[in-house]
Amino acid sequence: DIQMTQSPSSLSASVGDRVTITCRASENIGRYLNWYQQKPGKAPQLLIYVASSLQSGVPSRFSGSGSGTDFTLTINYLLPEDFATYYCQQSHSTLVTFGGGTKVEIK
Amino acid sequence: QVHLVESGGGVVQPGKSLRLSCAPSGFSFSNYAMHWARQAPGKGLEWVAVISYDGTIKYYSDSVKGRFTISRDNSKNTLYLQMISLRAEDTALYYCARDPSFSISNELDYWGQGTLVTVSS
Repeated sequence: DIQMTQSPSSLSASVGDRVTITCRASENIGRYLNWYQQKPGKAPQLLIYVASSLQSGVPSRFSGSGSGTDFTLTINYLLPEDFATYYCQQSHSTLVTFGGGTKVEIK
Repeated sequence: QVHLVESGGGVVQPGKSLRLSCAPSGFSFSNYAMHWARQAPGKGLEWVAVISYDGTIKYYSDSVKGRFTISRDNSKNTLYLQMISLRAEDTALYYCARDPSFSISNELDYWGQGTLVTVSS
């Protein structure tokens, strides 16, 4: 199976900060990388698919980049509603795998 | 709008079986592949299985292969997950999710709110 490693596992940030989360795949997955946001007690929501395409309705302060094995999710100007846990997920293999998650907390 | 409602969860003893259901609305169910994923209490997301729009293609995670069966009845607009030989480590909130493709893209664009399965004696 393709292993997905996210870093950091958690971070503290302030409203207005720029936040970057990284995700590394154990093998080349091209651009088949998706990002999800999960708030406490809620289902995950798709933010970005195929590395950099913004899902409909997702604010433009979210962006994704990368290819091959290294990917990045960036949140420009963090808002209170962005405090959540973020997961990367590879869709290259028939067996889907998620990263361990990055919890973004209020500083 | 797209809505997914899971049901069938509960408390079950180790070794027993359970069948989960997912009722979609707001889209043409028979045109989309569907997934099950789960989340153990306080843990991250784990993908479980996927089924193509017509039910002919199915894939499973290694942790459930041979014990779980994903299926669908397009005439009843329902997705299922049959689980047998349940283990304590299967305890989780089980989500159904839509794949935006009729075949399988492995993107999960809409998720239900989940149904809780607790495996305990």
